[in-house]
Amino acid sequence: QQQVKQSPQSLIVQKGGISIINCAYENTAFDYFPWYQQFPGKGPALLIAIRPDVSEKKEGRFTISFNKSAKQFSLHIMDSQPGDSATYFCAARSIGGSQGNLIFGKGTKLSVKP
Amino acid sequence: KAGVTQTPRYLIKTRGQQVTLSCSPISGHRSVSWYQQTPGQGLQFLFEYFSETQRNKGNFPGRFSGRQFSNSRSEMNVSTLELGDSALYLCASSSGTNTEAFFGQGTRLTVV
Repeated sequence: QQQVKQSPQSLIVQKGGISIINCAYENTAFDYFPWYQQFPGKGPALLIAIRPDVSEKKEGRFTISFNKSAKQFSLHIMDSQPGDSATYFCAARSIGGSQGNLIFGKGTKLSVKP
Repeated sequence: KAGVTQTPRYLIKTRGQQVTLSCSPISGHRSVSWYQQTPGQGLQFLFEYFSETQRNKGNFPGRFSGRQFSNSRSEMNVSTLELGDSALYLCASSSGTNTEAFFGQGTRLTVV
């Protein structure tokens, strides 16, 4: 119940294309869903986050879509660029939990080809 | 504002030894969390400290411990190292509950 399942494991997209990464969860007590981006040799960096009271949030080329009834959320990267090549992690946190106790998906390695 | 600083960046230790990793959070942040990242298990929560008190703990053996000082700096200790402890150890800081978590670059621990 504490798991967050992320797919695909790896993704290759052409420059200018749309990258889509999906996550699913079981625990209905999750109330905060961030996405992190990690480059080799670096720590994860927060990209964008959403709470379950909204169905979509957009920041620049990055959009989170959230489907509460299906217990799924996804990250869309529009106009993907080679600089977006990184590993992306979705995560979730329980209601009343702190930011210190995030449950992460296993990650998606994105490669954007020029 | 300086980010989260973790030291050292790289460590090589022998099985059976112990190791201490350090994390300095962003100035003003009182919450420090630790995560272990491995290719097989991904990112797993170790524990969280807030105002010098352990607030949450993940599912790791007692060989993994931590503490937080009055200036919010935190250390984690791993005793009796095993080969499987080889991982990237990440520290994240936040100002408190319901706020964003910012990660450091991590300490790469290799146990030989």
